[in-house]
Amino acid sequence: KAGVTQTPRYLIKTRGQQVTLSCSPISGHRSVSWYQQTPGQGLQFLFEYFSETQRNKGNFPGRFSGRQFSNSRSEMNVSTLELGDSALYLCASSRTGAYNEQFFGPGTRLTVL
Amino acid sequence: AQKVTQAQTEISVVEKEDVTLDCVYETRDTTYYLFWYKQPPSGELVFLIRRNSFDEQNEISGRYSWNFQKSTSSFNFTITASQVVDSAVYFCALSEAGYGNQFYFGTGTSLTVIP
Repeated sequence: KAGVTQTPRYLIKTRGQQVTLSCSPISGHRSVSWYQQTPGQGLQFLFEYFSETQRNKGNFPGRFSGRQFSNSRSEMNVSTLELGDSALYLCASSRTGAYNEQFFGPGTRLTVL
Repeated sequence: AQKVTQAQTEISVVEKEDVTLDCVYETRDTTYYLFWYKQPPSGELVFLIRRNSFDEQNEISGRYSWNFQKSTSSFNFTITASQVVDSAVYFCALSEAGYGNQFYFGTGTSLTVIP
């Protein structure tokens, strides 16, 4: 079974630009969550999508948004990039329910210059 | 308030030593789930174990063991006879029933096993 895939793996942008990250979950998984990982803040939950609907949202500004498609693939968008948005963005997929472990992709390393 | 606390930021042990990673959690829910993940230098988070709030039975899997104690809100992880390949950052996480798949992660413990 193929794991969670994320594209691109690395991205370099400049302040003020916007970026779109993509995530393909494990086949059969309908829940996709996004996390931001930085050395200072650790792993922070961004949002979760299930059946094309945002089910949970973390404490991030509105510049961070996402969506999920009917095939469960998900995209995350960050507009008006700031230097502090430089991070590893991790996507995780799982079956629905808080008891299910999440399977993580390799992440997208975003650098904002 | 931090829902998951991993007080140990970095730990170094010599190969073959035992090491315990601490995790303390905070929740008002009666139904919740605890997880341990490993993040090796390659960066990908790897799931290790899940425990639900109704199951305090401790578990051993090879060199790994987990000690879940609701009375102290702790979910500690022990590696016996550590190996160099165990070097990684270990994360403890909490999810609460009724909140979908939102995980609260601790800040991680970086384990270095010295040969």
